[in-house]
Amino acid sequence: AQTVTQSQPEMSVQEAETVTLSCTYDTSESDYYLFWYKQPPSRQMILVIRQEAYKQQNATENRFSVNFQKAAKSFSLKISDSQLGDAAMYFCAYRKYNNNDMRFGAGTRLTVKP
Amino acid sequence: DADVTQTPRNRITKTGKRIMLECSQTKGHDRMYWYRQDPGLGLRLIYYSFDVKDINKGEISDGYSVSRQAQAKFSLSLESAIPNQTALYFCATSDLGASGASETQYFGPGTRLLVL
Repeated sequence: AQTVTQSQPEMSVQEAETVTLSCTYDTSESDYYLFWYKQPPSRQMILVIRQEAYKQQNATENRFSVNFQKAAKSFSLKISDSQLGDAAMYFCAYRKYNNNDMRFGAGTRLTVKP
Repeated sequence: DADVTQTPRNRITKTGKRIMLECSQTKGHDRMYWYRQDPGLGLRLIYYSFDVKDINKGEISDGYSVSRQAQAKFSLSLESAIPNQTALYFCATSDLGASGASETQYFGPGTRLLVL
């Protein structure tokens, strides 16, 4: 079974600084998707960024970017110019291509200090 | 208005009671999912449905059942609730992408369930 590991239960960052959240996963597949979701105190799960494994280029969405290392099975999220509104739980998730069973990591709680 | 809604948002029930959690979506997606979230474990898939006639078990389906009443509605039932079913429950939807694989999943606001 595929597993997703987030080794940092909690992280903190100063406002306007950059922070990187780690994620590793275990799979024998070559085609799959990786996601980062944000869960603020409102409990809503919000998609932050998505990466297709067949794409070598790292995905970017405004201040959010990923470092996708396929051989190392690593998928870290970088948040630049951190804002107070970035404070939330962040979940890394894996989904095999053509399969709807998405597996989530345990989450990283990010605190942003003013 | 939210694209994916869940009712109720919070619920307290007693052991042995039957409870239903409901999910509705206006995104027009065919695929719907139920997850539960426990502290330290992330989200785990309970059931998913590709269309009204298609229901599939997820990672942790024991103790749960679902009903897909229409394309837009997908309900989760606990026939006889037990305390270890206390959790945050999420409904999600997705569409079939051009690649043939389901694209991004969009989540509802969650239902917090406490079983005493």
